[in-house]
Formats: sequence, structure tokens, C-alpha cells
Amino acid sequence: GAGVSQTPSNKVTEKGKYVELRCDPISGHTALYWYRQSLGQGPEFLIYFQGTGAADDSGLPNDRFFAVRPEGSVSTLKIQRTERGDSAVYLCASSLGSGPSTDTQYFGPGTRLTVL
Amino acid sequence: EDQVTQSPEALRLQEGESSSLNCSYTVSGLRGLFWYRQDPGKGPEFLFTLYSAGEEKEKERLKATLTKKESFLHITAPKPEDSATYLCAVQIHNQGGKLIFGQGTELSVKP
Repeated sequence: GAGVSQTPSNKVTEKGKYVELRCDPISGHTALYWYRQSLGQGPEFLIYFQGTGAADDSGLPNDRFFAVRPEGSVSTLKIQRTERGDSAVYLCASSLGSGPSTDTQYFGPGTRLTVL
Repeated sequence: EDQVTQSPEALRLQEGESSSLNCSYTVSGLRGLFWYRQDPGKGPEFLFTLYSAGEEKEKERLKATLTKKESFLHITAPKPEDSATYLCAVQIHNQGGKLIFGQGTELSVKP
């Protein structure tokens, strides 16, 4: 079946601009996660949705970052007033649930964001 | 503070030369430990989940083991196609499903 998809695959923007990154999870997966990965580092947690609600947004670095999942499927990560330090690969993952044996997260290919 | 440390940062092996990657963790309450493989320019690919000390899982040339302080990913007779970055991550009790990752071990297997 289809895996997690993310669009765009690459995004180049200028400092101060607004960007939206989209994630389509695996069909039927209720949990959705966003991570950010800098070069040479492991992914860093940003936010987690269970259904439509953000169950944990403790990883969002500041109020320029916001994410939504209005219908419990597709999610959009929104970044306002982008800064050069926001440049990274943004990864999305989904899991069937959040309990044991259903919590394996499957990752998409990522969106590479470059802020000039 | 919850922490995951992987070693070595990079490992070069000859084809057929077995070795192990280490993942040490210091967490308040381990719910699960995950191993992923990541190829350049791609997202992490799930390999294993381990939930309790003493547990082992195998897949082809890979075997993952877990103790109360660390996990090992053993690679037996590796092939060049095993070259990738291997990531270890933990889930903590009462912190939902978020994963805390180590920085990864970059494995290179030469023919």
C-alpha cells in the first residue's frame, strides 16, 4: 500500500516568508508526528496528533511554528517569518495508534526546507 | 534529562566483517526502543522495536538486543547494501508516542 507522502520534496524560500509543508499519512493511521532533522543529526520531535487534536506540541521551537490536522488525516506544518536557522529536513511519520504494537512510526521522505 | 547516545558516530567495515552498533539510553521510564535505517535523502525506515530487557529481534543479517541501559545492533557478514545511517530512538512512559532519537551511526561497508 501507499506509504507516507510529503509535499513539496524541496522548498526554497527567503528569510521572512511564510511556508506550508504537507503530510499525507498512511490510510487508517490515527497518529501523526512531525520531526525536524538537521544535517548529521537524528530527527527531533516537533508535534504529535492523535486524530484531529495536537496531543503534544512540546517540541515546537517557538510560536512561528504551527501545525493542523483538521480532518484527522492530512496535516500541514506552517512556519511564519522563516529564519535561516529553520533550514532542515522536515519529516512526517504516522502510526496506527499510540499503544504497544500499534505505535510503530512509518516515515515519509521528508521536505528539505532551505531559507536563504 | 532523557538522553540517547549512539556509538560509534561512523563505522567502516569490509564486506563480511561482522560488528555491532551501540545505543545507550538514560530515560525516566523506557516504553520501547526502536531501530531505524536511513539512506541518504530518504526518511527513516523501520527495522525493530524492543520493549523489555533480554528481548532480541532478527531480520536477515541484523539482530537487535536490549538491556536496561543499552541496545546493540549486531550486523553479521555485512554487504555493501547495508551501508546507511542507523538510528536508535526511545519512547518514554507517559509521554505519548514521541520518539527521542540518537544522532545515528553512519555505516559504510566496502566490497
